[in-house]
Amino acid sequence: DTGVSQDPRHKITKRGQNVTFRCDPISEHNRLYWYRQTLGQGPEFLTYFQNEAQLEKSRLLSDRFSAERPKGSFSTLEIQRTEQGDSAMYLCASSPPGGGLYGYTFGSGTRLTVV
Amino acid sequence: ELKVEQNPLFLSMQEGKNYTIYCNYSTTSDRLYWYRQDPGKSLESLFVLLSNGAVKQEGRLMASLDTKARLSTLHITAAVHDLSATYFCAVDYGNQFYFGTGTSLTVIP
Repeated sequence: DTGVSQDPRHKITKRGQNVTFRCDPISEHNRLYWYRQTLGQGPEFLTYFQNEAQLEKSRLLSDRFSAERPKGSFSTLEIQRTEQGDSAMYLCASSPPGGGLYGYTFGSGTRLTVV
Repeated sequence: ELKVEQNPLFLSMQEGKNYTIYCNYSTTSDRLYWYRQDPGKSLESLFVLLSNGAVKQEGRLMASLDTKARLSTLHITAAVHDLSATYFCAVDYGNQFYFGTGTSLTVIP
């Protein structure tokens, strides 16, 4: 297993377009998280899945954002009608059952630039 | 909402010197994590601290946790240039991590 994979690594889009990011967690990890990081800040929580169930969503996750994790494997994060304020690094992380005992393993992130 | 504060935010130190980064948090938690981030890269796990009084060391870095004081420290011993990066602490609360704003460390030869 090569860790948490995210695709694409970089995405440039025009304002108003929709974008979708993919995350493949470590195979035995049942917990999956999405975070957003803007320049000079720490990551901020967006949402959390345990298996296929989305158990928690941040108020940062406006109705333009949607996340799925079908079959409890990979996850997608879609942003509709992108705005310049959506420009950020989107980080995916996963952890095994027992989560906090091991910390998270982060992927390399998807850097989104909205022009 | 839980708040996590780190200080200093920026740290410039000479090689060979020692320094400590502080992480204070605002609510009870006995799980704290330290991560390293290089520019443009993702986060690398450094330490997992799971109880009051926990101390972990790896190379020139040592982390400790005082849950009663809601304080964690990351101590750097005899800094080298390779340690230049941004360091984040994160507190596990509910089903998420709350991250500090980070400490940007530059080690000067």
